[in-house]
Amino acid sequence: DGGITQSPKYLFRKEGQNVTLSCEQNLNHDAMYWYRQDPGQGLRLIYYSQIVNDFQKGDIAEGYSVSREKKESFPLTVTSAQKNPTAFYLCASSDRGSSYNSPLHFGNGTRLTVT
Amino acid sequence: QKEVEQDPGPLSVPEGAIVSLNCTYSNSAFQYFMWYRQYSRKGPELLMYTYSSGNKEDGRFTAQVDKSSKYISLFIRDSQPSDSATYLCATNLLSGGYNKLIFGAGTRLAVHP
Repeated sequence: DGGITQSPKYLFRKEGQNVTLSCEQNLNHDAMYWYRQDPGQGLRLIYYSQIVNDFQKGDIAEGYSVSREKKESFPLTVTSAQKNPTAFYLCASSDRGSSYNSPLHFGNGTRLTVT
Repeated sequence: QKEVEQDPGPLSVPEGAIVSLNCTYSNSAFQYFMWYRQYSRKGPELLMYTYSSGNKEDGRFTAQVDKSSKYISLFIRDSQPSDSATYLCATNLLSGGYNKLIFGAGTRLAVHP
């Protein structure tokens, strides 16, 4: 079955530690995205990548970093510089090649708790 | 003002009721409109996708877009407990070759037997 796999489902870290969230897709999609979801707020874009070895900052990139070395993988690192890292993180992909208006396919998220 | 406004609810209805979920948006440049459904502790999944003003029907679900008033709706007929989820409206903006999706905050729906 094609889809997006995020791991782990739950992650706990101490303040001051960097942490990396995994995202893998086997949909052969060109574009991948990271969103953050907080209660009562819409999804906010952290980073996106339209092609391998290229990525762009989204609306709330401060304190985060990404890499896109392979088409199927787009890991997100939450650094100690992120002021409020506790959130639900969602990875998504879309088939940029077919249409700029391709809908997003989401993984099932990673819930990060930093104490 | 947020670009997409959505009442967070929660909305609680009895099984079989007709549900109306709504969003307003501010930018007339928005072209495509989507509804995503998100079950608890899961990622959103695309439910409906529409471009033009008017209605689009898929089974018990109808998406409605009124571009003149910048208003989008999702109607659920004969609602079921399995419809209990958060519903997110979204629209897109093409910016520098990038398809930027803008989401509403989501409306939490509970359908009770």
